[in-house]
Amino acid sequence: GAVVSQHPSRVICKSGTSVKIECRSLDFQATTMFWYRQFPKQSLMLMATSNEGSKATYEQGVEKDKFLINHASLTLSTLTVTSAHPEDSSFYICSAPDDSNEQFFGPGTRLTVL
Amino acid sequence: GEDVEQSLFLSVREGDSSVINCTYTDSSSTYLYWYKQEPGAGLQLLTYIFSNMDMKQDQRLTVLLNKKDKHLSLRIADTQTGDSAIYFCVRRTARQLTFGSGTQLTVLP
Repeated sequence: GAVVSQHPSRVICKSGTSVKIECRSLDFQATTMFWYRQFPKQSLMLMATSNEGSKATYEQGVEKDKFLINHASLTLSTLTVTSAHPEDSSFYICSAPDDSNEQFFGPGTRLTVL
Repeated sequence: GEDVEQSLFLSVREGDSSVINCTYTDSSSTYLYWYKQEPGAGLQLLTYIFSNMDMKQDQRLTVLLNKKDKHLSLRIADTQTGDSAIYFCVRRTARQLTFGSGTQLTVLP
């Protein structure tokens, strides 16, 4: 099946800094990618839909200025957590659908904000 | 209530069958999936069923779909310790996925 990668897999940062997470579709193009957040022992929560060439669509309650999304190309979407705080610590997962609309998930990025 | 509901915990003995249940409210789903997530790891697609099917079997896994009751189940035969994980019931409409809360399956020796 298709492969989606994320980088980095783990990141630890100080409070107040910004962190960028990359999501790449390795062998297919994705005009849309999805960003999820998962708290410990909880389900995945859709944060936003990343659209190539246009603005991302954010779910209710997600601050667009806090979580900046840029879908720079058909194979790359980035999520930047700006001025990170400890409550932003979480597991962030991206997914991308292929031409048949099957979703493929990245392995996730564990963010820890000290 | 939640769009996709699952019980949070299930414990079974090694070798027994596990049945993880899921109910959903939106009947417009096209596909229903079961994903497995091991501790600290990403999501692994286990199996899926199209909304016009009643049952799908794949080796040790059996998926049953009752469209009338909007109920989906995943049966794992001969459960092994390596099956211990969180199992997510996920429904798909158009290009979006909605996740259940996940069921933590613990396999006891």
